[in-house]
Amino acid sequence: DAMVIQNPRYQVTQFGKPVTLSCSQTLNHNVMYWYQQKSSQAPKLLFHYYDKDFNNEADTPDNFQSRRPNTSFCFLDIRSPGLGDAAMYLCATSRLMNTEAFFGQGTRLTVV
Amino acid sequence: EDQVTQSPEALRLQEGESSSLNCSYTVSGLRGLFWYRQDPGKGPEFLFTLYSAGEEKEKERLKATLTKKESFLHITAPKPEDSATYLCSAKNGNQFYFGTGTSLTVIP
Repeated sequence: DAMVIQNPRYQVTQFGKPVTLSCSQTLNHNVMYWYQQKSSQAPKLLFHYYDKDFNNEADTPDNFQSRRPNTSFCFLDIRSPGLGDAAMYLCATSRLMNTEAFFGQGTRLTVV
Repeated sequence: EDQVTQSPEALRLQEGESSSLNCSYTVSGLRGLFWYRQDPGKGPEFLFTLYSAGEEKEKERLKATLTKKESFLHITAPKPEDSATYLCSAKNGNQFYFGTGTSLTVIP
């Protein structure tokens, strides 16, 4: 019973071509997060939503945007992907800000 | 600077050989210390949350402990299926800080 679902699992996009990754949750959690994880590195927080309140990390490039149209769904938009944006993108949810996060299986983004 | 450091980076154990993974944190105002397991190509899977020094949590062959400066993940009599990367994360305020993980390989 998947609780945090990310689509697609694998995404190939062209350099500079906008791409959207999606995440849905069945946990009814207040908080949704987007992380970027490169090989052998720690997940890096890009931004999070507490309900509809959006919080952008200071070092998240402007190239990355997010939308949360309702409690269940959250999207990551990469406006002009560069080769350096190739990574695993992880969506996570938590009930509150200081409770454990539940992660999706990730979307592996390749930029060609 | 708030950060989380995990050691060792990689650990190879024989099946049944117990050991510990270390997570050192310098996060001020700790609101929670989290352990996750991550298999290759997958998202992290939640294992434990620890909130205060002296707290311990156990699950099957795993036991997590917390002091004011570090957390340990003890693995007792590991099996090959315990092979994975174990991530530690510390939270204060609105920030989550992740370590780079310990890659554990258990050899049959």
